[in-house]
Amino acid sequence: GAGVSQSPRYKVAKRGQDVALRCDPISGHVSLFWYQQALGQGPEFLTYFQNEAQLDKSGLPSDRFFAERPEGSVSTLKIQRTQQEDSAVYLCASSLGSGFGAEAFFGQGTRLTVV
Amino acid sequence: AQTVTQSQPEMSVQEAETVTLSCTYDTSESDYYLFWYKQPPSRQMILVIRQEAYKQQNATENRFSVNFQKAAKSFSLKISDSQLGDAAMYFCVFNRDDKIIFGKGTRLHILP
Repeated sequence: GAGVSQSPRYKVAKRGQDVALRCDPISGHVSLFWYQQALGQGPEFLTYFQNEAQLDKSGLPSDRFFAERPEGSVSTLKIQRTQQEDSAVYLCASSLGSGFGAEAFFGQGTRLTVV
Repeated sequence: AQTVTQSQPEMSVQEAETVTLSCTYDTSESDYYLFWYKQPPSRQMILVIRQEAYKQQNATENRFSVNFQKAAKSFSLKISDSQLGDAAMYFCVFNRDDKIIFGKGTRLHILP
């Protein structure tokens, strides 16, 4: 596709509900990143994939957060039993190379509000 | 662990003037990349400029240039001839291997 696409753009979840956020990276991009961005803050790293392999998940804040990229293209970030502190914008980015030095292309994010 | 510090939460500049955004970082690595990304209200993060640590020459992209001081671990962004469309959050970003670490950002206002 022309760019990184994320869906939905906005999601309102009741506390305790499970949510799934989708990221369609640019076709052929090897690397895929997920970030969490709180209001007025910089993005915080969550996890990194190289093709289908999840090479780094050190930023996932708890075991309620789970990400997958089973075929090395589309990725899903799942949050189980959502809590109010999960409210944030979730950004996905992809890059052509290994992630080192390559320009990362970002989606417009999914704004998650937990009520 | 690498850290990126942007000490100016907000800045304002008159249209057509020049503004410099500051960034310092901390790393023990010698080979890395530094970026400035821009995030307008639409939330779409856009690459402004990139600098490889091994290159001594400061990167430039049209009205955007950097002052890269490797020994001081400083990476400032200069925007010349500021335009209304430059209004956005600007993030200084450190990249080493698969780590992409953002600063907290500087919100830039352009005054007409």
